[in-house]
Amino acid sequence: AQSVSQHNHHVILSEAASLELGCNYSYGGTVNLFWYVQYPGQHLQLLLKYFSGDPLVKGIKGFEAEFIKSKFSFNLRKPSVQWSDTAEYFCAVNAGQTGANNLFFGTGTRLTVIP
Amino acid sequence: GAGVSQSPRYKVTKRGQDVALRCDPISGHVSLYWYRQALGQGPEFLTYFNYEAQQDKSGLPNDRFSAERPEGSISTLTIQRTEQRDSAMYRCASSLGTSGSQQFFGPGTRLTVL
Repeated sequence: AQSVSQHNHHVILSEAASLELGCNYSYGGTVNLFWYVQYPGQHLQLLLKYFSGDPLVKGIKGFEAEFIKSKFSFNLRKPSVQWSDTAEYFCAVNAGQTGANNLFFGTGTRLTVIP
Repeated sequence: GAGVSQSPRYKVTKRGQDVALRCDPISGHVSLYWYRQALGQGPEFLTYFNYEAQQDKSGLPNDRFSAERPEGSISTLTIQRTEQRDSAMYRCASSLGTSGSQQFFGPGTRLTVL
């Protein structure tokens, strides 16, 4: 069965600090990888996704993530966070080739950015 | 509609009652998914549909949970004889295609079973 681990439960940063949120998954086959964000009081929104090709993926709002197959990782990064990045971030995976579309999510990382 | 909508947004019920949660996907979206999210956890897959066909219900925790999408659009998740452990946020998502498409999430229904 697939599983996703997010190592950081709560991260607190000052504005302009750099961000890296860890995500590791457990699955032996081809995967699609996602990062979703939930801002306070809002829906889950897609930040970025990786299906194939360049392992460095750029998303919205200056976020990027790198797929490292050998490490089963898909860490999220942003060079300089803003107060408005305060949110909960979820890493998710689904099986790339089986056609099964259901997502497996990590437990989430809450990011608090201090102005 | 412009996005996925869910109703009600909040539902408080007493143990033993049945509840029905509704999801209205983005118009034209083929696939519809139900997830459940407990406090402090990520969303957990329950079931999904392509058009009106239920493709996978492996995530439904037991036979008190059922879902339908009779006309391939609106879906209802029904929980019979609710228990306190059913309290959670129930999230619906839809996607345009059937394989690998981005899932768009609704606002969720917060269910509290007393």
